Amino acid sequence: SQQGEEDPQALSIQEGENATMNCSYKTSINNLQWYRQNSGRGLVHLILIRSNEREKHSGRLRVTLDTSKKSSSLLITASRAADTASYFCATDIKAAGNKLTFGGGTRVLVKP
Amino acid sequence: KAGVTQTPRYLIKTRGQQVTLSCSPISGHRSVSWYQQTPGQGLQFLFEYFSETQRNKGNFPGRFSGRQFSNSRSEMNVSTLELGDSALYLCASSLAPLPGQGFDEKLFFGSGTQLSVL
Repeated sequence: SQQGEEDPQALSIQEGENATMNCSYKTSINNLQWYRQNSGRGLVHLILIRSNEREKHSGRLRVTLDTSKKSSSLLITASRAADTASYFCATDIKAAGNKLTFGGGTRVLVKP
Repeated sequence: KAGVTQTPRYLIKTRGQQVTLSCSPISGHRSVSWYQQTPGQGLQFLFEYFSETQRNKGNFPGRFSGRQFSNSRSEMNVSTLELGDSALYLCASSLAPLPGQGFDEKLFFGSGTQLSVL
């Protein structure tokens, strides 16, 4: 089973609205990352939050991390049509080297 | 700086054949990871190579193998293809820290190779 589970699986909003998606995971982590994927292409890194951080901002993105609940949320403010994509959380479970475990993703549709 | 390059972009094979996919990481990146993406199983980790050595391995059968060359370029090979191997195969590179440093690293992904097994 996957380390991360994302909720909701799909989200449809109007341009200008905020989009919030959540990620839950099962084991202790080093960090949690969010990636975006446009229509079957490669993933693009959005933001990384370490296990000792609670909140992080990058432009219109805000990520929170609650290690006691083993959950994270990604908020996209003032969404644009170009934000239409699938969003994945990925956890680094303190293994040596790069071994990210991805959630199932949230498909976001931003309607103009 | 050029991004991660994967070739070929699309590939069609038949059951029982073998396939080799190629990945050129970003210049200076020493770690290359491979992921399989399917609608049913999502993104699954295959393996990671660092300095020509496999450093991590996912839960895939031995038909899936890989290697990394001295210039950090990597190839993965799938032998005796099955219908279920149809997937988008993604390669990702990262700088990879020196021993003793943290592993808070982001991955840079290529556009992937879409493999269809008929």
